[in-house]
Amino acid sequence: DSGVTQTPKHLITATGQRVTLRCSPRSGDLSVYWYQQSLDQGLQFLIQYYNGEERAKGNILERFSAQQFPDLHSELNLSSLELGDSALYFCASSITAGRTNEQFFGPGTRLTVL
Amino acid sequence: TQLLEQSPQFLSIQEGENLTVYCNSSSVFSSLQWYRQEPGEGPVLLVTVVTGGEVKKLKRLTFQFGDARKDSSLHITAAQPGDTGLYLCAGAPSNDYKLSFGAGTTVTVRA
Repeated sequence: DSGVTQTPKHLITATGQRVTLRCSPRSGDLSVYWYQQSLDQGLQFLIQYYNGEERAKGNILERFSAQQFPDLHSELNLSSLELGDSALYFCASSITAGRTNEQFFGPGTRLTVL
Repeated sequence: TQLLEQSPQFLSIQEGENLTVYCNSSSVFSSLQWYRQEPGEGPVLLVTVVTGGEVKKLKRLTFQFGDARKDSSLHITAAQPGDTGLYLCAGAPSNDYKLSFGAGTTVTVRA
């Protein structure tokens, strides 16, 4: 158990819908990262937050947004969903924001868009 | 094009055999990390290598960071079925901030 929690575990929805994925980092970790993992793209970095502020952006679509709240939990919002958004979404956390910091991953949310 | 190229993509061996997974790049990294991921779960950090030429051992797993800090390898001695999983290397190049992952090597150890 990494100490990072993600809800829900599974999510099934239809195209055009909007969903929210939730992540609670390890106790004491200030940085939260979101990743998307699909069979053809591998593990892709989406976005990073550090202590409530956006720190780095990866290949995140405009239809996706995220935020980190004062209690440090984070939410990833996915809207106007398409079939291609079906994937595993992982949240990871680390103590600080440095690039060499070890990241601890949650169990993931499996999103299926029908 | 992946920043980190892993090879081979798939590896299937018999219990007791040795295996090596490679992670290569044309970029220099301040550090590289190795993760193992099992189906339906998140990646779990195995090791971080930070010094060129560094060798780290974790029981039957040996990790090496290239002298030029552009490549790394993972060697498993006497593999066991419990070593089965997806092995991912990850790193942030010296001129970038974001962590990039290789596509992974799927290792299957048959009993």
